[in-house]
Amino acid sequence: AQSVSQHNHHVILSEAASLELGCNYSYGGTVNLFWYVQYPGQHLQLLLKYFSGDPLVKGIKGFEAEFIKSKFSFNLRKPSVQWSDTAEYFCAVIMFSGGYNKLIFGAGTRLAVHP
Amino acid sequence: GAGVSQSPSNKVTEKGKDVELRCDPISGHTALYWYRQSLGQGLEFLIYFQGNSAPDKSGLPSDRFSAERTGGSVSTLTIQRTQQEDSAVYLCASSWGQGEFNEQFFGPGTRLTVL
Repeated sequence: AQSVSQHNHHVILSEAASLELGCNYSYGGTVNLFWYVQYPGQHLQLLLKYFSGDPLVKGIKGFEAEFIKSKFSFNLRKPSVQWSDTAEYFCAVIMFSGGYNKLIFGAGTRLAVHP
Repeated sequence: GAGVSQSPSNKVTEKGKDVELRCDPISGHTALYWYRQSLGQGLEFLIYFQGNSAPDKSGLPSDRFSAERTGGSVSTLTIQRTQQEDSAVYLCASSWGQGEFNEQFFGPGTRLTVL
């Protein structure tokens, strides 16, 4: 079955620490990859996306992610986190089959950044 | 409107009652999606509409769940004879079309609590 795995459910960091959140998917076909973020009390919003081309994708707020096809991975990184990055992060994969998209989400990672 | 809106924002109901959740997509968006976000479970795809038709209902958890969309716009998700396991946040998203490059925009969700 198609699935998305996020390795860390809870991450606690101090400000200025580096961040890497793991994401692996299981699907052999063409995939489009996303990271969504949900800040406390806010809507789910798109952080960055990969469709094709350069596997290193830059997103908003200094986030980036690297698509490694051979590892079926799309890890999210940020060199130096801020308190305002406290949120829940969801990796998602669009699997395009049967003529339409289905967004498959991972379980999410709750990030808490302490000042 | 400017974004996807959902109502009510919170709904508390007694086990066995029926509930209706509403979604107003972004004007002009032809594709509409319902997801369920349960604690620690990530986001689960429920159903997708293209216009008023629902090509894929495979994500609906049981026959107590149904959804409709009228006029290619507003959608309602109905849960009959609610159970405690139905407690979750129900999210709606919309996109311009169904192509794989069409970003889905999410609403704020309806938090359903079944007592």
